[in-house]
Formats: sequence, structure tokens, C-alpha cells
Amino acid sequence: QVQLQESGPGLVKSSGTLSLTCAVSGVSISSGDWWTWVRQSPGKGLEWIGEIFHGESPTYDPSLKSRVSISIDKPKNQFSLILNSVTAADTAIYYCAHLRRGSHCSRATCTYYYYMDVWGTGSTVTVSS
Amino acid sequence: SSELTQDPAVSVALGQTVRITCQGASLTTYYATWYQQKPGQAPVLVFYGRDNRPSGVPDRFSGSRSGDTASLTITGAQAEDEADYYCNSRDTSGHHGVIFGGGTKLTVL
Repeated sequence: QVQLQESGPGLVKSSGTLSLTCAVSGVSISSGDWWTWVRQSPGKGLEWIGEIFHGESPTYDPSLKSRVSISIDKPKNQFSLILNSVTAADTAIYYCAHLRRGSHCSRATCTYYYYMDVWGTGSTVTVSS
Repeated sequence: SSELTQDPAVSVALGQTVRITCQGASLTTYYATWYQQKPGQAPVLVFYGRDNRPSGVPDRFSGSRSGDTASLTITGAQAEDEADYYCNSRDTSGHHGVIFGGGTKLTVL
């Protein structure tokens, strides 16, 4: 049973660097699925930050791409998020999640879908001035 | 990049049927995935793909797709179904990452 747990500082100074780690248990992080970060600002909806697949380059949301980095630490079975030059707009709950892909095939045509089946409990990060 | 559009709020009488929709061009390529989020909790997967419901999710939750619109239907809504619901898919016009709808707040009357 896959479990995820975020950890990191709850308070980051404006213009500083946000750093979070997601510990993975119950499956190897090189299992063949994606690992992703999602955030939720107070009172707002879910915002995808980026994802990583073991052995491949990460993919990021274009609006954050210049400030974000996601990496995998295979020996520790965890993955991390770094967000630079933070502002108050980066204050949010940060979730890590396990992202999988499935497909439904009919008459040699397959339609894919992506789903986050396991989520961490979330890590609240406040950016202070 | 692609967008997914959801109605901000929907209400349903207890025991009645409600449909929550998600519209976007990427849904002609990918099936939508649906999450339920209650206050103070992490999102929970409730429906994905053409016809997949995770273990533990009541069978009153079902999903469908027509053209560029995906729907999550709750047949016989219960008080505990009151929550925010989000759809997601893959972007098909830019970064090819994940995209989320803005969310629908479901109120059970």
C-alpha cells in the first residue's frame, strides 16, 4: 500500500527558497509511475506544479518553470520540490501525489487517462515578509 | 495550454441525482479523472478513466464523457457527498502536463 508524506519548513521568507520532500513507502520510487506536486492556495483550487518519472527529465507548469525544480532521491525513496524566489502568492498547502496512467482500448484505438491515486496529507507553507 | 471549465457551485436535494461537468478540448483526447475534497483534507480519487471507481468509493459515483465534456454523476446524493469536486486531464496544447478544472462546490440540501 503506497503512502506519501510531505515534510519541510512551514515558514519561508519572501524571496527565499521553499524546499519540500515527499517520503514514499510501500513502493519503489523507480516503479514506473510518475511522482507529482500539487498546491492549493487558501480558498483556491488545485494547481499542478510538476511531475517526474524516474530516469526522465521532469515536466513543470509553464507559469512556475523558471523557479521550480523536482528531483528524485532513489536511495532514500523520496522526491523533492524546490521553489525559488518565493512571494506571498506561493503561500499554500503543498501536496505530493502518486500519478499513474491507464488506458481503455477499443478496436485498436486506446484512450489514456492519468490519475493521482495516492496523496500525501499536505504540507502548509507560509511565505512571510 | 488547455483549460478545463467547471461550474463553481452546484446543489442537490438529499437523495436526488446530480451531475457535475468538466469541459475542455483535452477531454476529446483523454478521459477525465475526478477528485473529491472535503474541508481540511487532501483530495481523494473518486472516478477515473472510462469506468473505474477506486475501492471504497460508493457505486453512486459514476463518470461519463460526451465530446469535450466529462461528467461525474452522483445518483442518490448523501449528506457526506457535500464537498469540492475537481476534474483533471492532460494538457494537449502546450506543456503536456496535468491540468485541473477550477473545482465545483457541491451542496447537499
